[in-house]
Amino acid sequence: AQTVTQSQPEMSVQEAETVTLSCTYDTSESDYYLFWYKQPPSRQMILVIRQEAYKQQNATENRFSVNFQKAAKSFSLKISDSQLGDAAMYFCASPEGIQGAQKLVFGQGTRLTINP
Amino acid sequence: DGGITQSPKYLFRKEGQNVTLSCEQNLNHDAMYWYRQDPGQGLRLIYYSQIVNDFQKGDIAEGYSVSREKKESFPLTVTSAQKNPTAFYLCASQTLGMGTEAFFGQGTRLTVV
Repeated sequence: AQTVTQSQPEMSVQEAETVTLSCTYDTSESDYYLFWYKQPPSRQMILVIRQEAYKQQNATENRFSVNFQKAAKSFSLKISDSQLGDAAMYFCASPEGIQGAQKLVFGQGTRLTINP
Repeated sequence: DGGITQSPKYLFRKEGQNVTLSCEQNLNHDAMYWYRQDPGQGLRLIYYSQIVNDFQKGDIAEGYSVSREKKESFPLTVTSAQKNPTAFYLCASQTLGMGTEAFFGQGTRLTVV
């Protein structure tokens, strides 16, 4: 079975600093995607960034970037210039299945606090 | 505005009652999902559907039932057989295919009283 593990239940960072959230995964798929979702206090999940395993270049979305190490099955999220609005639960996720419905397998989540 | 709507936001259930959580989307997505979220845990898949009139069990389907009579709607019934139903429930929808983004509703908080 596919597994996703986030080993940091909580993290905190000073505003404007950089923080990295860790994620490891295990999959038997040869091609796959990985996702980071954010769950703010409103509790609605929002996609932060996605990475296709076949692409060697790490994905970047403004202040958010990933460090994808395929051999190590590691997929960390780096948030640069942290802002108060970044405070949220962050979930790493990997879809199960290649065709049809992409059933997401989630990690346990990391609660990120931004200190002003 | 396109999106996915869950209702109600809060729901209280008495012991032995069935309750139904609503999920509607106007994104024209084929796939819809129900996830359960408990404190300290990630989301776990309850049921999913790829097409109207068809749905599949997820990892924790016991005590739950669903229907998919319309593409836009995927209601979840929490039956009396679900022994620990107090949780936060999230509905999601998605176009079929690899790497597509799942869009989530704002969730329903169910509490047993």
